[in-house]
Amino acid sequence: NAGVTQTPKFQVLKTGQSMTLQCAQDMNHNSMYWYRQDPGMGLRLIYYSASEGTTDKGEVPNGYNVSRLNKREFSLRLESAAPSQTSVYFCASTQGSSGANVLTFGAGSRLTVL
Amino acid sequence: AQRVTQPEKLLSVFKGAPVELKCNYSYSGSPELFWYVQYSRQRLQLLLRHISRESIKGFTADLNKGETSFHLKKPFAQEEDSAMYYCALSGDRDDKIIFGKGTRLHILP
Repeated sequence: NAGVTQTPKFQVLKTGQSMTLQCAQDMNHNSMYWYRQDPGMGLRLIYYSASEGTTDKGEVPNGYNVSRLNKREFSLRLESAAPSQTSVYFCASTQGSSGANVLTFGAGSRLTVL
Repeated sequence: AQRVTQPEKLLSVFKGAPVELKCNYSYSGSPELFWYVQYSRQRLQLLLRHISRESIKGFTADLNKGETSFHLKKPFAQEEDSAMYYCALSGDRDDKIIFGKGTRLHILP
């Protein structure tokens, strides 16, 4: 039982490059989330998806796009990376409103934008 | 708008002393409150949630709706409690879950 799997674990980009962070969960959870973690700023919600086919903006959505590909997968895309997007990104999932809202987290993806 | 405030970035406590990590929230409906912990080199994980009213690793937290607080307490700190602690809120209108800025707890020997 892998839980929440994120790829890649580490990535270095140049300003203006694009990339996609992948996330998959095998717990049949309805809701999935992307957060960024920055020193002194805590965890900030970028986007979330309450169910397959729906996505909603979180606290800091600018510069990002997401796709809920199916119930298992939720990807985060940076179309034109900026140094301000240097961060550790966490994907998480939960059963959602039909059940407990306890989040299961991935291991994180450390992104550096030069 | 929902908001979670953790006023302390760093809290240093001697081993055996009591610990209190503060969390205040702003939400107009009926929130669900959580504490998550991140130990060094480990994933973020749930410590406890208010509706369970349980004690995990000696920690407890009571939801005070009048003061809009959900402070985390432990009577006697242990060195293995050193970690980053995050308070989180889930609202009753949507599936948004937000976190505070976190408090790093450092237990001194």
